[in-house]
Amino acid sequence: GAVVSQHPSWVICKSGTSVKIECRSLDFQATTMFWYRQFPKQSLMLMATSNEGSKATYEQGVEKDKFLINHASLTLSTLTVTSAHPEDSSFYICSARGQGDHEQYFGPGTRLTVT
Amino acid sequence: GQNIDQPTEMTATEGAIVQINCTYQTSGFNGLFWYQQHAGEAPTFLSYNVLDGLEEKGRFSSFLSRSKGYSYLLLKELQMKDSASYLCAVIDSNYQLIWGAGTKLIIKP
Repeated sequence: GAVVSQHPSWVICKSGTSVKIECRSLDFQATTMFWYRQFPKQSLMLMATSNEGSKATYEQGVEKDKFLINHASLTLSTLTVTSAHPEDSSFYICSARGQGDHEQYFGPGTRLTVT
Repeated sequence: GQNIDQPTEMTATEGAIVQINCTYQTSGFNGLFWYQQHAGEAPTFLSYNVLDGLEEKGRFSSFLSRSKGYSYLLLKELQMKDSASYLCAVIDSNYQLIWGAGTKLIIKP
C-alpha cells in the first residue's frame, strides 16, 4: 500500500515554456503533499507544503508565482514550473501523507531539463 | 536554528558492518526517519523511531536517543546494492520534516 506516482518521469522543455508535473496517491487519501527539489549531489530541498483544498505554503526563497502548486483533491497535486529557465533543471520529487500519518510516501521523481 | 548533522561520505567493505550517525537539534521532536536514496531515484523508507532504543529490521537497525539528540543506522552483511545515500530526517514540533544532507555510502568488494 501507500503508493505515490508522478508523471512525467522526465521532461525536456525549452526555456520560457511551462511544465506541469502531476503527483498522485494511488491507494490512500493524501491530506498533505510535499514538493521537493534536488540538485545533483545535494540533499532534498523542500519547496512547498500543500493541504487539500488550501493554498500551498512555500518555503523561504521559493517563488510562488513561478512554481504553481494545486492540491485540488485528496489524490492529486500538481506543480507547474512557469517560464522555465535552464537553472530550473533539477529532480523534482513529491511526497504524500495521509491524515494522522507520520510517514511521507515518495513518488519516483521527475527529472526536468530546460534547454 | 534547526540542524541535522551526518557524515558526508563513508566507505565500507562488502560483507562488513557500517554505522551511520545522525545528530540533530530541532524545535521539538516527533520522530526520526532514515531513508535510502539511490542515485537518480526518489528516497525509500527504511525506518522510523519515536521512542528511545533499537529497532531492528532484517539487515538494517536504527537506534534513537532523544536525550542526546542522536540516532544511528546500522547496516549488517553489506551488499554492493547498499551503495546509496542515507538520509536522516526529523519531524519537528510543527510536524515538518527536517532533512539532513545525507551520507553517501560506498561499498567496496
